Amino acid sequence: DTAVSQTPKYLVTQMGNDKSIKCEQNLGHDTMYWYKQDSKKFLKIMFSYNNKELIINETVPNRFSPKSPDKAHLNLHINSLELGDSAVYFCASSPMTGGTSGNTIYFGEGSWLTVV
Amino acid sequence: GIQVEQSPPDLILQEGANSTLRCNFSDSVNNLQWFHQNPWGQLINLFYIPSGTKQNGRLSATTVATERYSLLYISSSQTTDSGVYFCAVNSGYSTLTFGKGTMLLVSP
Repeated sequence: DTAVSQTPKYLVTQMGNDKSIKCEQNLGHDTMYWYKQDSKKFLKIMFSYNNKELIINETVPNRFSPKSPDKAHLNLHINSLELGDSAVYFCASSPMTGGTSGNTIYFGEGSWLTVV
Repeated sequence: GIQVEQSPPDLILQEGANSTLRCNFSDSVNNLQWFHQNPWGQLINLFYIPSGTKQNGRLSATTVATERYSLLYISSSQTTDSGVYFCAVNSGYSTLTFGKGTMLLVSP
C-alpha cells in the first residue's frame, strides 16, 4: 500500500527519444509535484498541480510536459531527450498547495533516468 | 525566495557517536521538514517540525522559528543512518525549498 508510487524506477534511453514517467498517490491529497534531483543531489521543483490544474511551472523546458488526468495521478512526459536530462525524478504529493501550515509533503521512490 | 543553508555539508562518524545537523533559513516559514535520503535513493520523512521539539527513537529535532533555524540530533549513530539529510521549508504560496543537504557516513 505504497502512498506515492512512480514507474518506472529505472529508465535508460537514447538521446532524442520520448519517454514518460507515471505517478500515482493514494493519500487523497489535492496537490502533486515533480522534483528533479541532479548529480549533486540538489532537489528542485519542476511542476506543481492542484486538483488537476497546473499551478507552478519552474522554467522547465517545453520538452517536459506534465499531465494530470485526475488528482491522484501526475505523469511526466519528456520529448527529445537530451544528455542533460539524466537525473532522478521524484513525484510527491501533499494535502494542499503552498506553504499552508500542516502541509506535509510525501515523496515517491524516484525514477532514475539515464540518457545515453 | 527563501534561502536554506545546511551545515555541515559532509560528516563522518564512527558508529555510536552523536551528531547535530543544522538548517538555517532566511525568512519565516509555515512548514519545515527533515528528510533522510538513504543510499538507495529513497526520501524518507523524518520530521514535520515548523516549531518546537519532536523525538522519534534516536532522532530528535528542534526548530526555533523566531531565530530561523532547525537542528536535527542523531544519537548513538548506526551505519544505517548513512545517507543525505535534507531540510526543506516553505510558506505562503511557495513550494518546498530544499537545502543542499548534509551527507553523513557512519562507519562501523
